[in-house]
Amino acid sequence: DIQMTQSPSTLSASIGDTVTITCRASQNINNWLAWYQQKPGKAPKLLIYKTSTLASGVPSRFSGSDSGTEFTLTITSLQPDDFATYYCQQYTSFGQGTRLEIK
Amino acid sequence: EVQLVESGGGLVEPGGSLRLSCVASGITFSNTWMSWVRQAPGKGLDWIGRIKSKSDGGTTYYAAPVNGRFTISRDESKNTLYLQMNSLKTEDTAVYYCTTDCSGGSCYGGHFDPWGQGILVTVSS
Repeated sequence: DIQMTQSPSTLSASIGDTVTITCRASQNINNWLAWYQQKPGKAPKLLIYKTSTLASGVPSRFSGSDSGTEFTLTITSLQPDDFATYYCQQYTSFGQGTRLEIK
Repeated sequence: EVQLVESGGGLVEPGGSLRLSCVASGITFSNTWMSWVRQAPGKGLDWIGRIKSKSDGGTTYYAAPVNGRFTISRDESKNTLYLQMNSLKTEDTAVYYCTTDCSGGSCYGGHFDPWGQGILVTVSS
């Protein structure tokens, strides 16, 4: 089974900052890598799929990229609404999650 | 607008059974692969199983922790997905989400979208 290692587990940032979350796959995978945002008590919301395709209605300050087996979610110009937990996913494996909190 | 609505959760004793339902609207359910994903309190997301569309054979797949205890099925006439959970354990306590599975069928890309609101299952004596 593919394992997804996500880092960091917690990230502190300020409004307006740019942050990066990384997901590394245990083996070479295709580009079917997705990112989700989850807020407390809510279902996960799809942000990005196929590594870099923005889901409908997602602001352009969210972007995704890859370099081999390492995948990256970048959020530029952080807004108050962005503070949440983020998960990567490939096939049936999810990363452990990154909690983005206000510094 | 696509909508998935789960029901059937609640409190059950260890060793007991429960059946969750997920009613889908706004999609061509018969062409759609579906999955169940759960989230234990304060923990991350865990995929637990998938069912292909009827046209793709309706095959089911399960994660190891639930294989042999949980059964996924679908009723096209009701646009409804089911999760039958037997021999429940305390570690099955979680919020359960149904989601459209874009690993095949009517969508493509391997992602899960959209998700239901989630339903809480508590296994405790």
